[in-house]
Amino acid sequence: EAQVTQNPRYLITVTGKKLTVTCSQNMNHEYMSWYRQDPGLGLRQIYYSMNVEVTDKGDVPEGYKVSRKEKRNFPLILESPSPNQTSLYFCASSPGTGHTGELFFGEGSRLTVL
Amino acid sequence: AQSVTQLDSQVPVFEEAPVELRCNYSSSVSVYLFWYVQYPNQGLQLLLKYLSGSTLVKGINGFEAEFNKSQTSFHLREPSVHISDTAEYFCAVRGSGGSNYKLTFGKGTLLTVNP
Repeated sequence: EAQVTQNPRYLITVTGKKLTVTCSQNMNHEYMSWYRQDPGLGLRQIYYSMNVEVTDKGDVPEGYKVSRKEKRNFPLILESPSPNQTSLYFCASSPGTGHTGELFFGEGSRLTVL
Repeated sequence: AQSVTQLDSQVPVFEEAPVELRCNYSSSVSVYLFWYVQYPNQGLQLLLKYLSGSTLVKGINGFEAEFNKSQTSFHLREPSVHISDTAEYFCAVRGSGGSNYKLTFGKGTLLTVNP
């Protein structure tokens, strides 16, 4: 089954404790991206990647890092989480070049930073 | 840059009634338009999309939307809603050029279908 898989789905952590949210897609998509969803704000893009080893900032990149060492994986790293990073995070992918840009979303990862 | 305004944050409606969820966008370039649906505790699922051609597009579950370029709108309609349509609906836009396939989302409309 074609899908985008995120882990963990739920996480409670404390300020300053490094964490990684993993994202994997099995559709051979070139493009991957991370969004955060906050009440009343909709979804905002954090980082994106056009292909392996090619990443760039989205609209709200502060406090986050990403890497794209393999085509299928695009982990989101919070080096020193803070309470304002409490949010619902979505990973998404798209075929990329020549495609219309429809995004395929994972199920989401709900992060709480105390 | 693009922006999206969803004019209603919440829309309550009775089962089998028609509903329209409103979406306006702004962009200086040609756009692709999307509606996504998010059921409770789930990810976003594509409902329908406008790329080009016919301005009336049909999606899953009986939903349809009409692209109106002069009014920069892309309203979503359902002629007869069901309880199972209760969800949050997001309108999104993307410029038709460029290398970042970023979708710019509206803030969402919570549709609640009551019996």
